[in-house]
Amino acid sequence: DQQVKQNSPSLSVQEGRISILNCDYTNSMFDYFLWYKKYPAEGPTFLISISSIKDKNEDGRFTVFLNKSAKHLSLHIVPSQPGDSAVYFCAASAPKAAVNKLTFGGGTRVLVKP
Amino acid sequence: DTAVSQTPKYLVTQMGNDKSIKCEQNLGHDTMYWYKQDSKKFLKIMFSYNNKELIINETVPNRFSPKSPDKAHLNLHINSLELGDSAVYFCASSQDYRVRRGYTFGSGTRLTVV
Repeated sequence: DQQVKQNSPSLSVQEGRISILNCDYTNSMFDYFLWYKKYPAEGPTFLISISSIKDKNEDGRFTVFLNKSAKHLSLHIVPSQPGDSAVYFCAASAPKAAVNKLTFGGGTRVLVKP
Repeated sequence: DTAVSQTPKYLVTQMGNDKSIKCEQNLGHDTMYWYKQDSKKFLKIMFSYNNKELIINETVPNRFSPKSPDKAHLNLHINSLELGDSAVYFCASSQDYRVRRGYTFGSGTRLTVV
């Protein structure tokens, strides 16, 4: 029972263009969402987060959008750079868990072509 | 100076053996986690300790036993290894389990059971 889903396993984009990564969740109790980036043979690194009281959060080239009614969030990377080639994981947590426990999606592999 | 370090990075062992993976963090965080990334690439939580106390114990075979000698260390011991235990195991830490923040991950231990 995957509560966080990333339905696109891979994405290829030209350098300079926008990358859009999507994530859907089923647990309506989730109220805090994060994106992680992972390079091969390394651990995931935190990229950006968003609380359910917002519908958008921006940090440099990275913007996360949250649509609570659709239980959907997306990560936009503009402009995409070759160094952005990595696997991106969406994660979520619920307040009533009382513990900072993150539930992850299966990841989307992004390839940015020069 | 690595924030969350795991050893070993690679581990190849035979079925039935007992092995341990070690994790140390120098971030001064109170909470540490073990996650398993299976063949489908999902990251799933196994255990979490807060200041040496077990706070998350997911449905994991009791062949897996975590140990936290102090809040900077969280080790994972696996008895009677099975083929299905082959995965990448990630250690992570966060400031406090009650604080809704992202984790800092280690680089992972790739366990292969043959």
